Amino acid sequence: AQSVTQLGSHVSVSEGALVLLRCNYSSSVPPYLFWYVQYPNQGLQLLLKYTSAATLVKGINGFEAEFKKSETSFHLTKPSAHMSDAAEYFCAVSVYNQGGKLIFGQGTELSVKP
Amino acid sequence: DTGVSQDPRHKITKRGQNVTFRCDPISEHNRLYWYRQTLGQGPEFLTYFQNEAQLEKSRLLSDRFSAERPKGSFSTLEIQRTEQGDSAMYLCASSNPGQLIHEQYFGPGTRLTVT
Repeated sequence: AQSVTQLGSHVSVSEGALVLLRCNYSSSVPPYLFWYVQYPNQGLQLLLKYTSAATLVKGINGFEAEFKKSETSFHLTKPSAHMSDAAEYFCAVSVYNQGGKLIFGQGTELSVKP
Repeated sequence: DTGVSQDPRHKITKRGQNVTFRCDPISEHNRLYWYRQTLGQGPEFLTYFQNEAQLEKSRLLSDRFSAERPKGSFSTLEIQRTEQGDSAMYLCASSNPGQLIHEQYFGPGTRLTVT
C-alpha cells in the first residue's frame, strides 16, 4: 500500500529565506508524486508533479522538488520565501494501476514572517 | 475551461438531516473523484467514477453515503442521517486519463457543518 509522511506539521520561515518542506513516500511500485497548495477555505492547487522523466521538477511560483528514490523522498523547496507563500502544503502519491486516486500526507502549514 | 465547480460552498445542517452536494468537473474529464478533508488533515479518498461507472469506494464511505454520476458529467454526493462526525470539507476533483499522469484538478470544496 502507498503512504506519504510529511515531516513537520508547521514550518515558519522569514521572508526571503529558504523554504524546505519534507515528504517521504512508501510505494511498492514506481509512484507518481505531487505537491499541492491549499489557501484557507479553498480547494487544492497543483504546484508540481513527478512523472519519472526528470528527478528535479520545477513547478509554479518558484517551487521545485527533487525525487530521490534511494531516500524515498520528494522534498519541496523554494530559494526565497514570499509572504504570499503562506498556506498549507500537501504531498501526495498515486499509482497508475489504482485508478489514479491520491493518497495525501497530513500537510505542512507554512508561515512566512516579515 | 471553467475549472471544477462545487455547490453549495457551505452547508449547515442539523444532525439527522440529509444533504446533497454537487460537483461539475472540467468538461472533457471523464474521471471524477470525491475526497473528504477534516480539520488539520490531508484529504482522504472516498470514491471515484469513470464516466458514469463508480469504480472504487473507500471504507470511509459508509452506507449513509451515496454518490452518483448518472450521465457521466456532474456528480452528486448524498449523506443521509448526518452525524456530527460528518462535518468536513468535501472536495471534488476531475482528471483526464488520456494523459499518462492522472493529474487531478480540484474544486473549491463544500464545507459541511453538522450541528
